[in-house]
Amino acid sequence: GEDVEQSLFLSVREGDSSVINCTYTDSSSTYLYWYKQEPGAGLQLLTYIFSNMDMKQDQRLTVLLNKKDKHLSLRIADTQTGDSAIYFCAEMVRGGYNKLIFGAGTRLAVHP
Amino acid sequence: GAVVSQHPSWVICKSGTSVKIECRSLDFQATTMFWYRQFPKQSLMLMATSNEGSKATYEQGVEKDKFLINHASLTLSTLTVTSAHPEDSSFYICSAAERGATYEQYFGPGTRLTVT
Repeated sequence: GEDVEQSLFLSVREGDSSVINCTYTDSSSTYLYWYKQEPGAGLQLLTYIFSNMDMKQDQRLTVLLNKKDKHLSLRIADTQTGDSAIYFCAEMVRGGYNKLIFGAGTRLAVHP
Repeated sequence: GAVVSQHPSWVICKSGTSVKIECRSLDFQATTMFWYRQFPKQSLMLMATSNEGSKATYEQGVEKDKFLINHASLTLSTLTVTSAHPEDSSFYICSAAERGATYEQYFGPGTRLTVT
């Protein structure tokens, strides 16, 4: 079946790196995503990676994909207080409309 | 670019009434739109997918007669919650994608529905 799992909470000190992990089950996933949600707001697409890649870097964000273990991670370098939010991992599964399956979200708290 | 808006941003209605939520793509043509539901402190659950000019495809367990979806144009989809009940209270979020690019969905800011 389709399932995406994430740890629920992560606390880091400002300036440190944050690593948020995610595992998924569908081996036919084509794209994997990281979204950010601030309180009361919609989802902001941070980055995505195609399933035939193993790494993607975009400024402070680094995504690592281990397809064999079905493990995805998001590293945020030099974490700032503005990075405090909920981060959702999602996989796109093949189908008529390529639907997204979301994890439960990881709440990132950044403290001074 | 790629901005999606929702209206209203929040709504309170009485039990038994119907509520319509709009989702608009402001600067691109959205051939496919998705409707999600999010309960407090939980993840997003896909409710239905709609293609412009076609009937929506509902996920298992979602009542199509209760959650009416219309995607009449390339920039507008509506979700109508009919005969709303308190258990329908939730955060409803839409997303939109261009033709051939459903791998890149852009999300609206969400609509908080409270049914009293």
